[in-house]
Amino acid sequence: NAGVTQTPKFRILKIGQSMTLQCAQDMNHNYMYWYRQDPGMGLKLIYYSVGAGITDKGEVPNGYNVSRSTTEDFPLRLELAAPSQTSVYFCASSRPGYEQYFGPGTRLTVT
Amino acid sequence: GENVEQHPSTLSVQEGDSAVIKCTYSDSASNYFPWYKQELGKGPQLIIDIRSNVGEKKDQRIAVTLNKTAKHFSLHITETQPEDSAVYFCAASNGNFGNEKLTFGTGTRLTIIP
Repeated sequence: NAGVTQTPKFRILKIGQSMTLQCAQDMNHNYMYWYRQDPGMGLKLIYYSVGAGITDKGEVPNGYNVSRSTTEDFPLRLELAAPSQTSVYFCASSRPGYEQYFGPGTRLTVT
Repeated sequence: GENVEQHPSTLSVQEGDSAVIKCTYSDSASNYFPWYKQELGKGPQLIIDIRSNVGEKKDQRIAVTLNKTAKHFSLHITETQPEDSAVYFCAASNGNFGNEKLTFGTGTRLTIIP
């Protein structure tokens, strides 16, 4: 199993550009999550999904969108990138009631 | 919403000594408390977790204690080794199944001095 994979690993965006961060898991987990991690801070939940077709907002959803059309994939969309979205983004997945497995992260810089 | 505070932010201990990291939470409905280890350039990895119906849990050199009345929980690492050097995060959740919406602490950078 590859576990949770994220692409790209690094990306530099200009203000106002859009991009999609990809996340995939091969563990057949129902639950998937997107977090952001700012320097010296803990992870903050952006969006999560408890199954295909179901998504819900986390603590910091503004400026982001998600979709969950399959169990395996949970892409995160940034429509109009802003400097405040410079961060490291982590995707995670889990079974209900079990630990969350994290991907290696995407480091995004918006200039 | 939930608020999790974590102390200290940095901790240096001699190899072989013990390390203790403490967290407090605000929501009395929280029922799941995991601890994650994050090595440089990697995603967090679960090292131990505890649920609200248990006061203490141990796994080899790592233990976690939970005091529901005081709303705090702690990570204890004994006989520390150089490979324990990393950033450690506590978290809390009150999701239906215990893990949907984790609120993380701000992390503790642990350095083991050889």
